[in-house]
Amino acid sequence: DTEVTQTPKHLVMGMTNKKSLKCEQHMGHRAMYWYKQKAKKPPELMFVYSYEKLSINESVPSRFSPECPNSSLLNLHLHALQPEDSALYLCASSQDWDRAFWGYTFGSGTRLTVV
Amino acid sequence: QKEVEQNSGPLSVPEGAIASLNCTYSDRGSQSFFWYRQYSGKSPELIMSIYSNGDKEDGRFTAQLNKASQYVSLLIRDSQPSDSATYLCAAGAQKLVFGQGTRLTINP
Repeated sequence: DTEVTQTPKHLVMGMTNKKSLKCEQHMGHRAMYWYKQKAKKPPELMFVYSYEKLSINESVPSRFSPECPNSSLLNLHLHALQPEDSALYLCASSQDWDRAFWGYTFGSGTRLTVV
Repeated sequence: QKEVEQNSGPLSVPEGAIASLNCTYSDRGSQSFFWYRQYSGKSPELIMSIYSNGDKEDGRFTAQLNKASQYVSLLIRDSQPSDSATYLCAAGAQKLVFGQGTRLTINP
């Protein structure tokens, strides 16, 4: 299995809603990432988990809350988002975060629209 | 601020020609370099990785790295319409920084 699976593929939520994005990989990778990508922009790093512990938080607003229940799963909990948070949210994994020698495998993404 | 800069494009190349994409990076500590292809509305797909100075070939793709000049390039030979996409350069050590991307169009 060489895939990173993200659900849902599309999500529309109101500014008062609470929702979660899910990501799963079964490649034995020990690092998992959340990226945000706006249209015609490169992916921007949000969070890095290494061995199920949060290693990097790129000063992301608290309305985004990551969780890593186990080595295969990564969640992103969303609450009180703003319309400007609408974007493609990408999950990625790599063998090890200490050395990004192997590159990332990206999931197909969740297209989020905040209304 | 660690940056990765790409030629802004868009780049238009006739089918069958060579497409050349360029990238420079600011962090001399970068150890890993990647080219990702991203089709519109899709997620990035890793197509090439390079870690040492010189050339690395994989099928129609050749990546070139020059650490002294902090320069990475991607050549696509015999360009096909299916190569039309945005190409993202990424560089880093512990985490990757992505360039802005170059939009490539292959004209039949």
